[in-house]
Amino acid sequence: AQSVTQPDIHITVSEGASLELRCNYSYGATPYLFWYVQSPGQGLQLLLKYFSGDTLVQGIKGFEAEFKRSQSSFNLRKPSVHWSDAAEYFCAVGAGDSWGKLQFGAGTQVVVTP
Amino acid sequence: EAGVAQSPRYKIIEKRQSVAFWCNPISGHATLYWYQQILGQGPKLLIQFQNNGVVDDSQLPKDRFSAERLKGVDSTLKIQPAKLEDSAVYLCASSPGQGLMNTEAFFGQGTRLTVV
Repeated sequence: AQSVTQPDIHITVSEGASLELRCNYSYGATPYLFWYVQSPGQGLQLLLKYFSGDTLVQGIKGFEAEFKRSQSSFNLRKPSVHWSDAAEYFCAVGAGDSWGKLQFGAGTQVVVTP
Repeated sequence: EAGVAQSPRYKIIEKRQSVAFWCNPISGHATLYWYQQILGQGPKLLIQFQNNGVVDDSQLPKDRFSAERLKGVDSTLKIQPAKLEDSAVYLCASSPGQGLMNTEAFFGQGTRLTVV
């Protein structure tokens, strides 16, 4: 069965500093991997996704993620965070055929300080 | 383009009461999902519809939860009777189709349910 682990429950970062959120997955085949962001009172928004090909994936809002098969990781990065990046971030792995079969991690809460 | 609409935004009920949530997906989206997001956890799929048919309801607690999508558009999710552990945010999402490759699922703002 597939699973997703986000080791960091909470991260505090200064505005303008870099951000990296960790995600480790367990899946038997080639995974489909996703990062979502959830702002307070909002639904989930897709930041980026990896299906195949280039292991460095660019997303919206200046985010990127790197797929490392050897480490079973799909870490999310942003070079310089903005106060508006404060939110909860979810990593998810897909079973392959449907958006409804996503397995989400528990999420990482990001706080941005001035 | 209007997003996925959900109502109500918040609901507080006593245990053993019933409650219903409503979802209006993005126009033209054939696939609709209901997710349950318990505090401190990621969302978990409860049920997936393709048009007005159920594709997957394997994680829906059918003894107390029910869902329908009449006419393949709006959907309602009902809990009867509610338990304390049903306190969660219920998210509705829709996508043009099921496939992952050339589309994405769009989420509503959710309904926060508190069972006391």
